[in-house]
Amino acid sequence: KAGVTQTPRYLIKTRGQQVTLSCSPISGHRSVSWYQQTPGQGLQFLFEYFSETQRNKGNFPGRFSGRQFSNSRSEMNVSTLELGDSALYLCASSQSRQETQYFGPGTRLLVL
Amino acid sequence: TQLLEQSPQFLSIQEGENLTVYCNSSSVFSSLQWYRQEPGEGPVLLVTVVTGGEVKKLKRLTFQFGDARKDSSLHITAAQPGDTGLYLCAGVYNFNKFYFGSGTKLNVKP
Repeated sequence: KAGVTQTPRYLIKTRGQQVTLSCSPISGHRSVSWYQQTPGQGLQFLFEYFSETQRNKGNFPGRFSGRQFSNSRSEMNVSTLELGDSALYLCASSQSRQETQYFGPGTRLLVL
Repeated sequence: TQLLEQSPQFLSIQEGENLTVYCNSSSVFSSLQWYRQEPGEGPVLLVTVVTGGEVKKLKRLTFQFGDARKDSSLHITAAQPGDTGLYLCAGVYNFNKFYFGSGTKLNVKP
């Protein structure tokens, strides 16, 4: 089985721009979670989608949003980028909400 | 403030040494997971511990869940350079919310 894939792997944007990141879960997995990883804050939960519905949300501003499609693929959008949004964004998928999460390699976002 | 505190933050040891990494919280978790992350990759699950007092072994790695399900430890025996990486603990709250510790960066020198 192919693992979780994330595109793009690297991205450079400037302040004020918006960005969309994509995550394709493992085939058959219906739950997709997004995390932000930074050296200072570590790995922080953004949100979780299950069967196209957002089930959980972390403590991030409304500039961070996401969605899930009927094929379980998920996108995450960040609007009005700030320097502090520079981070590794990780996506994880699981068969159901309580199953083991499998992480993708992440998208490294640099905001200049 | 981190819900889960990991210590130490950094560890640099020689091949063959033993080490222990700690993960502590004031909250009770339904389960606790340990991951290892290598540069350029996402975290990979090593183990899930569910029952208070549970001990699990994975080759040279021994994981323990505290009796009160608030803390955990990871012990590595005879560390090898291949063990180098970022070790993360994650507390699972209400069965579907994951809170990660800040991580322990381990470097094992040959």
